[in-house]
Amino acid sequence: AQSVTQLDSHVSVSEGTPVLLRCNYSSSYSPSLFWYVQHPNKGLQLLLKYTSAATLVKGINGFEAEFKKSETSFHLTKPSAHMSDAAEYFCVVSEVRNTGKLIFGQGTTLQVKP
Amino acid sequence: DAGVIQSPRHEVTEMGQEVTLRCKPISGHDYLFWYRQTMMRGLELLIYFNNNVPIDDSGMPEDRFSAKMPNASFSTLKIQPSEPRDSAVYFCASRLDRSSGNTIYFGEGSWLTVV
Repeated sequence: AQSVTQLDSHVSVSEGTPVLLRCNYSSSYSPSLFWYVQHPNKGLQLLLKYTSAATLVKGINGFEAEFKKSETSFHLTKPSAHMSDAAEYFCVVSEVRNTGKLIFGQGTTLQVKP
Repeated sequence: DAGVIQSPRHEVTEMGQEVTLRCKPISGHDYLFWYRQTMMRGLELLIYFNNNVPIDDSGMPEDRFSAKMPNASFSTLKIQPSEPRDSAVYFCASRLDRSSGNTIYFGEGSWLTVV
């Protein structure tokens, strides 16, 4: 069965410094992987997705993630944090071969300090 | 393009009352999902539909919960009777089809408080 683990429940960075949000996955087949962001009192917005094409995926707002099969990881990065990046981030896995049901990680809260 | 539309956005109700949450998926999407989000359990898939047919309802917590999709543009999630532990944010989401990279699009959520 597929699963996803976000290694940090809370990450705090200073504005202008790099962001790293870590995600490991477990999947029996070739997975599709996503990062979603949720701002306070808002719905979930897709940041980026990996679907077996390029392993380095670029998303919106300067975020990117690298799929590493050998490490079963899909970490999210951004070179320079902005105050508006403060939100909850979810790593999500979906197995291509099955119905495409999404499995969410527990989320990582990103705090950006001025 | 209008996104996934949910109503009501906020609902406060008394224990024992019936609650109906509504969702209009993105036009043309074949899949519709209902998720629940709580602090304790995170995001949980309750049920999903494909072409208006319920495919997997194993996440529905108990018989008090029911979901319908009478047509391609409308779905409801009903809780009867409601209990305080049902307080959560309920998200509806939709997806075009399996070949679209499995990207699903979420609504803004329905914030339910049962007192």
